[in-house]
Amino acid sequence: NAGVMQNPRHLVRRRGQEARLRCSPMKGHSHVYWYRQLPEEGLKFMVYLQKENIIDESGMPKERFSAEFPKEGPSILRIQQVVRGDSAAYFCASSPDSGTYNEQFFGPGTRLTVL
Amino acid sequence: GDSVTQMEGPVTLSEEAFLTINCTYTATGYPSLFWYVQYPGEGLQLLLKATKADDKGSNKGFEATYRKETTSFHLEKGSVQVSDSAVYFCALPGSARQLTFGSGTQLTVLP
Repeated sequence: NAGVMQNPRHLVRRRGQEARLRCSPMKGHSHVYWYRQLPEEGLKFMVYLQKENIIDESGMPKERFSAEFPKEGPSILRIQQVVRGDSAAYFCASSPDSGTYNEQFFGPGTRLTVL
Repeated sequence: GDSVTQMEGPVTLSEEAFLTINCTYTATGYPSLFWYVQYPGEGLQLLLKATKADDKGSNKGFEATYRKETTSFHLEKGSVQVSDSAVYFCALPGSARQLTFGSGTQLTVLP
């Protein structure tokens, strides 16, 4: 069973461009979470999605950021008009429907650098 | 809201030394508690977990006991190795399944 996959692993954008980060959850997992890790900091929750639904986006900036998890295909985190402060590692995690531990499995992350 | 307070780092130890990384939490009820580890350039991996008070989670020589009296979940290892060098995060789940993480503790083990 392949783990959580993220691509690209590294992404470089110039200010004002768009960044698209992809996440394929583990097989059988329908819950996806996005976290952001700023340099020298811990992970901060951004958004929680199930197939075709955003469940909780309380951690996501109101402007420029959006996320989706379509019926088919990976989850996408989209950042429009990137700024230098968006430079960070973005991690995706997934969890199964069953289980009582809320255990989440993390991907390797996408490291976004904004020039 | 729920929060996790983690021991400030970085921590540098010699091989075979004893390790403690403190973690305390604030939460409603008695949530599950987790320790995650992040090796350089990689994502987070679940190290161990405890689902109720007085549970002890253990893995790879690491242990942590869920203590509701002190709202703590300190990570310990009796004899660290160079390969344990990583960043360690304490975490607990929120009301909507998202995880709340501590700030992380960088551990460096010297040979």
